[in-house]
Amino acid sequence: DAMVIQNPRYQVTQFGKPVTLSCSQTLNHNVMYWYQQKSSQAPKLLFHYYDKDFNNEADTPDNFQSRRPNTSFCFLDIRSPGLGDAAMYLCATSSNSYTQYFGPGTRLTVL
Amino acid sequence: EDKVVQSPLSLVVHEGDTVTLNCSYEVTNFRSLLWYKQEKKAPTFLFMLTSSGIEKKSGRLSSILDKKELFSILNITATQTGDSAVYLCALNYGGATNKLIFGTGTLLAVQP
Repeated sequence: DAMVIQNPRYQVTQFGKPVTLSCSQTLNHNVMYWYQQKSSQAPKLLFHYYDKDFNNEADTPDNFQSRRPNTSFCFLDIRSPGLGDAAMYLCATSSNSYTQYFGPGTRLTVL
Repeated sequence: EDKVVQSPLSLVVHEGDTVTLNCSYEVTNFRSLLWYKQEKKAPTFLFMLTSSGIEKKSGRLSSILDKKELFSILNITATQTGDSAVYLCALNYGGATNKLIFGTGTLLAVQP
């Protein structure tokens, strides 16, 4: 089945230790998004790729970076995680269907 | 500033009840309004609404958009415990990139 896959589903890291979250898709969608969702809050868009074009939201901290080596894969790099970065990170994809399809998310814990 | 507000923030009902969730917005020139259901995982897509006054229906769930009064509602009839979730409303306003602005969500708890 075509889908959006995120790995790992749970990630524990130490304060300040870089971490990379992975997203892959078999939908062949040209747009990929990364969201941060904290407890009891709505998802907050961090950035998105339209094909290879990277678009950063104005309030996304510099600590968050992203890479999209090809259509199928997109990575979220957190260079120096702080306690406030503990959250669910959601990857989503879209084509021209006016909607987005979400992966299962990666829950990040920062110790 | 573009904004999407959902009400109520949380709701507790008993199985068999009917619920109405509200989503109001202050966004101009959006492409579509989306409803998602989120349990303890990623949001799953429920409905996409683009035209005012046309009801979308899927089983016990239905939704409608009112572009004049700037709101949408999601109805769930004969609720079941499996309907317990956070329901998110989002507006697609991002042109070709389909960017979404999410509402705060409504937490629905259905008790047996």
